[in-house]
Formats: sequence, structure tokens, C-alpha cells
Amino acid sequence: DAGVIQSPRHEVTEMGQEVTLRCKPISGHNSLFWYRQTMMRGLELLIYFNNNVPIDDSGMPEDRFSAKMPNASFSTLKIQPSEPRDSAVYFCASSLRENTGELFFGEGSRLTVL
Amino acid sequence: AQKITQTQPGMFVQEKEAVTLDCTYDTSDPSYGLFWYKQPSSGEMIFLIYQGSYDQQNATEGRYSLNFQKARKSANLVISASQLGDSAMYFCAMREAGFNKFYFGSGTKLNVKP
Repeated sequence: DAGVIQSPRHEVTEMGQEVTLRCKPISGHNSLFWYRQTMMRGLELLIYFNNNVPIDDSGMPEDRFSAKMPNASFSTLKIQPSEPRDSAVYFCASSLRENTGELFFGEGSRLTVL
Repeated sequence: AQKITQTQPGMFVQEKEAVTLDCTYDTSDPSYGLFWYKQPSSGEMIFLIYQGSYDQQNATEGRYSLNFQKARKSANLVISASQLGDSAMYFCAMREAGFNKFYFGSGTKLNVKP
């Protein structure tokens, strides 16, 4: 079975550019989460969706960040404009809410903003 | 208040010995789940073990067991017979069933010495 698929795995961009990170959750899962991981701040929950509906976006740092889930099999996290402090590993994870609900993580997208 | 607290930033253990990683949690939701994840240096997040708030017995998965003390709100991970491959970052997490929101601790970096 395919796990959570994230792309790109690595992204290097310049300050001010738009960055789009993509995620395909595990088929049948009904919750999707975006996390950011840095050495300084650890794992931070940015936003999560239940049944494609955003439930809590209080972790989104500022208006430069936006996330969408147009259907059950795809989500994007967009940063516009990007800044060096956005450099981090961004994880997408999905879960089946009705079961034990453990998160299945993608391999992460490592973003470097110069 | 922190939802998940891991008080051990780093730990050392001798190969083949057992080690306990501490985790305390805070919630008023009567239905919740507790999870442990392993993050090796390669970066992926690996699900290890789950404990439900209504489970009467401590969860076990191979060499991993979860010491669940509900009254103390603690969910310590016990790794028996440590192996060199156990060297990694370990995260404790909690899922509150009501909103399906996940909280992660700051992690414990475990080093297994030969």
C-alpha cells in the first residue's frame, strides 16, 4: 500500500518566491495534518483537515501561509512570499479518525529559503 | 499549559539494557489516545505504539511497552533490550478524540552505546 506521498522532497528557493508543497494522503484516510519541524521549535502543527474541511489553522504562522484540500486525495501548503525563517522540514500526515487514529507521516519536504 | 511534556532532552543507555522515556500529558477530554513515534537521523516519523484512554492494560509492541498511569497522566515508553538501531529521537503524542487534534512533545534524543 502506498503511504503518504509528499513532493517535492527538497526545495531550495530564494526569498520572496512562492513555494507550494504537495501531499497525497493514504487512500481512505479522512484527516490530514501539516506539520513544520525545526531544531528551535520542534514539531509544530500548522493546520489540519477533517473530511477535507479545515478545522484548526491556528498554527499557521502568518498570512503568507495558506493550505487547501480540494479533495480527499490531495492537499497543498503554499508560502507566498517565502522568507529564510520558513526554512524547515514540512511533514504531511494522514489518519483514519474512526480507528486508533495514529498518524501516518510522509517523508517530509525539506525547504531551504536563501 | 503544555499538552505533552517530555522532560528528558537526551538520554544514554547501554546496549541490551532497558530504558524508560518519560511523557506526561494534560487533557480534560475523557477520550484520548497516546502515541509514541521514533524519528531516526534519516528523518522519517515511525509509529511505535498506541494506548487508548479506556484501555485497561498497558500496550505492548515487541520490545516497546507503554507504562500508562492514568491518574498521574503519564505515558512512559519502555524499550527493552536496547539495540544500536534504537538511537533516535522519540516523540510522545496525544490525540484528543473530540476534535481529532494531535499534540506532540518536544522529544527525547536517545543514544544507545555499544
